[in-house]
Amino acid sequence: DQQVKQNSPSLSVQEGRISILNCDYTNSMFDYFLWYKKYPAEGPTFLISISSIKDKNEDGRFTVFLNKSAKHLSLHIVPSQPGDSAVYFCAASEHTGTASKLTFGTGTRLQVTL
Amino acid sequence: DSGVTQTPKHLITATGQRVTLRCSPRSGDLSVYWYQQSLDQGLQFLIQYYNGEERAKGNILERFSAQQFPDLHSELNLSSLELGDSALYFCASSLGPTGVVAEAFFGQGTRLTVV
Repeated sequence: DQQVKQNSPSLSVQEGRISILNCDYTNSMFDYFLWYKKYPAEGPTFLISISSIKDKNEDGRFTVFLNKSAKHLSLHIVPSQPGDSAVYFCAASEHTGTASKLTFGTGTRLQVTL
Repeated sequence: DSGVTQTPKHLITATGQRVTLRCSPRSGDLSVYWYQQSLDQGLQFLIQYYNGEERAKGNILERFSAQQFPDLHSELNLSSLELGDSALYFCASSLGPTGVVAEAFFGQGTRLTVV
């Protein structure tokens, strides 16, 4: 049962344009959401996060939007740069007592073209 | 550099064998997580330890086990290896499991190839 879904395996965007990566989740107990970026042969790198009590968080070129009623979040990158080309993973966290674990989506490969 | 160190970077072994993957978390982090990434798959959560104790378990096979030692490093043991166990194994660490979750920082992974 895939609790975090990234339905677009790949996305191609022109340099300077906006990249929008989407993520859906099914578990209403998730209370914290994160985006990670992964280059080949490297571990995922934390990018940006958002608490379930917020609907938007912005950090430079990156903005994450959360729509709790739709169980949907998105990552906006603007303007997109060639160095943004990577696989982006959406992750969600659920606190269970004194534990928390990150549940990841399957990733979206973003290619930013010149 | 995330500060999380995983060894070895690459491992090739035969079916039926047993291997140990090692992870040193970032300085000060008490939580260690293990993830498996198979070809073209997302990151599958295996197990989490906090300050030496198991805290959360995911889709970890019975052939796999892990532990976290008093110095907070962690080892993932994979036994009776099968071809399907070939994957990238990531370790991540974070400050702790309670309160507002701290983002987890990942190591570069161990690529396991079972032949």
